[in-house]
Amino acid sequence: GQQLNQSPQSMFIQEGEDVSMNCTSSSIFNTWLWYKQDPGEGPVLLIALYKAGELTSNGRLTAQFGITRKDSFLNISASIPSDVGIYFCAGHGSSNTGKLIFGQGTTLQVKP
Amino acid sequence: EADIYQTPRYLVIGTGKKITLECSQTMGHDKMYWYQQDPGMELHLIHYSYGVNSTEKGDLSSESTVSRIRTEHFPLTLESARPSHTSQYLCASADDRSNYGYTFGSGTRLTVV
Repeated sequence: GQQLNQSPQSMFIQEGEDVSMNCTSSSIFNTWLWYKQDPGEGPVLLIALYKAGELTSNGRLTAQFGITRKDSFLNISASIPSDVGIYFCAGHGSSNTGKLIFGQGTTLQVKP
Repeated sequence: EADIYQTPRYLVIGTGKKITLECSQTMGHDKMYWYQQDPGMELHLIHYSYGVNSTEKGDLSSESTVSRIRTEHFPLTLESARPSHTSQYLCASADDRSNYGYTFGSGTRLTVV
């Protein structure tokens, strides 16, 4: 089945630094979604992307739907301690099973 | 304000006990899902439902069972809990327009001793 490869697996950065993470697939995706999961909570949707090439911002977060429809990235600018958590990419593949496919997650730690 | 509710938030139970994890949503979503997640790890789909009386097994084999008698309710049951079932269980729901994302509950952290 379709899979998403998310990288990096983990990041440990200094407060104020910018962060970038990405997801890639060998097959086409029709939507890309980015979630954040705080410790002990369920994932919360951050950004949704529906068109190839689309670039969307949500505060300090920016995400793009790759032009090939096989990748997406998420950038966080000027990181703060509350950015700590696990970030998951997810998408609906072209096989149209109706189920979201999730990446493996990127664990972000921010040092004050 | 949460529109999808999971209870209990935390559960510690002895081996061999039967347990039911509750999940309810007030959004009228037809699609509901159960994920199992170890701390800091990937999400593994164990069950899903596309409507009343519809249940399917997910990508990860699980000894749990689910039912969907009402649209808003999707409980997960373990007939005989084992330490290997210790994990976080996340419930999610989705609008029928499949290109929208899932809304997740806060999860149930299960510990079997």
